[in-house]
Amino acid sequence: AQSVTQPDIHITVSEGASLELRCNYSYGATPYLFWYVQSPGQGLQLLLKYFSGDTLVQGIKGFEAEFKRSQSSFNLRKPSVHWSDAAEYFCAVGARNYQLIWGAGTKLIIKP
Amino acid sequence: SQTIHQWPATLVQPVGSPLSLECTVEGTSNPNLYWYRQAAGRGLQLLFYSVGIGQISSEVPQNLSASRPQDRQFILSSKKLLLSDSGFYLCAWSGTNQPQHFGDGTRLSIL
Repeated sequence: AQSVTQPDIHITVSEGASLELRCNYSYGATPYLFWYVQSPGQGLQLLLKYFSGDTLVQGIKGFEAEFKRSQSSFNLRKPSVHWSDAAEYFCAVGARNYQLIWGAGTKLIIKP
Repeated sequence: SQTIHQWPATLVQPVGSPLSLECTVEGTSNPNLYWYRQAAGRGLQLLFYSVGIGQISSEVPQNLSASRPQDRQFILSSKKLLLSDSGFYLCAWSGTNQPQHFGDGTRLSIL
């Protein structure tokens, strides 16, 4: 069955520390891969996407993600988090843009 | 540039009342359009998507319906709301083989 797993419901990181949010998927073929961020009470904003090519993808706000086919993973990273990064992060995968499968989200908490 | 508008931002409705949420997209033509629901503390559930005027696909059976009367207009409706319809409703659009872009959402509370 097709699925997306974000193993961490919450993650707490100190401001200035590095961040890695995990995303694992089960899919029949190499999917399109996305990371979105959602601030409380807001819609979702696209951080980055992978369609093909270089497996290390750069996104907005200093985020990057690496597609690892052998591990069926698409983890999101940032070298140094800022308090404004506190939000919920969603990983999504799909073969077509209207058949996305969404992870349950990871809430990022920033310690001052 | 493309923009997506969704309204109202918040809505409080009694059980059994009708619902109409509207979403419009500007700056593009023939977008794919989507309605999602997000329950508290949970991920996104795709309710409906549309690839063209009058073409609606339903992902989850429920008492909600969707319509696309114009190319860039997508409406979510219900004739009689249930308590379980409470949630955060998000509209999104995408171009062909492009990522989805979301509106700011509608917080729907059913009393």
